[in-house]
Amino acid sequence: TQLLEQSPQFLSIQEGENLTVYCNSLSVFSSLQWYRQEPGEGPVLLVTVVTGGEVKKLKRLTFQFGDARKDSSLHITAAQPGDTGLYLCATPGGDSSYKLIFGSGTRLLVRP
Amino acid sequence: SAVISQKPSRDICQRGTSLTIQCQVDSQVTMMFWYRQQPGQSLTLIATANQGSEATYESGFVIDKFPISRPNLTFSTLTVSNMSPEDSSIYLCSVDTGVGQPQHFGDGTRLSIL
Repeated sequence: TQLLEQSPQFLSIQEGENLTVYCNSLSVFSSLQWYRQEPGEGPVLLVTVVTGGEVKKLKRLTFQFGDARKDSSLHITAAQPGDTGLYLCATPGGDSSYKLIFGSGTRLLVRP
Repeated sequence: SAVISQKPSRDICQRGTSLTIQCQVDSQVTMMFWYRQQPGQSLTLIATANQGSEATYESGFVIDKFPISRPNLTFSTLTVSNMSPEDSSIYLCSVDTGVGQPQHFGDGTRLSIL
């Protein structure tokens, strides 16, 4: 089973600051998905990265996939209170690639 | 994308009782999954709900504790049996969008056991 470690576990920042969240594994990812979960809701997909070295941007969010496909990062520029939530990385894994293995999560709080 | 409805959204239950959670999808899907999310934690897969056959459980989860039904391609239930305070969690269902593809999630059922 592939373990996904996310860091930091918790981040509390002021509105307008920048931050980076990391997702790491000892194994190579076939692909990696980033989700955000807000209180009272299920996780919602933000992006999928597939190719080593890939960079994707979603407004103020920038996602990078490591060249070796063992790590990924999510950078948020000028964070807003609406960015508050639990950020999860996930990768297909197990004996069926329909299944997802989720990272340990990073809980972000952006203070106004 | 698929719209997933979970019921109930929350419940408070007595120790030793059982609760059945329903998950309804607005379109036919191949795979349905059930997850547990303990307070402040990430998601842990309980089982894959297979249409027409027994669910496939992950290590640490058993059918007697978490019986699952999947009568058709749009509906599944998860029962949490003989509940104890340790079962207090959010239970989420999800559906696949293809092999290796993202999943769509319901909003979860927040369960508290007294």
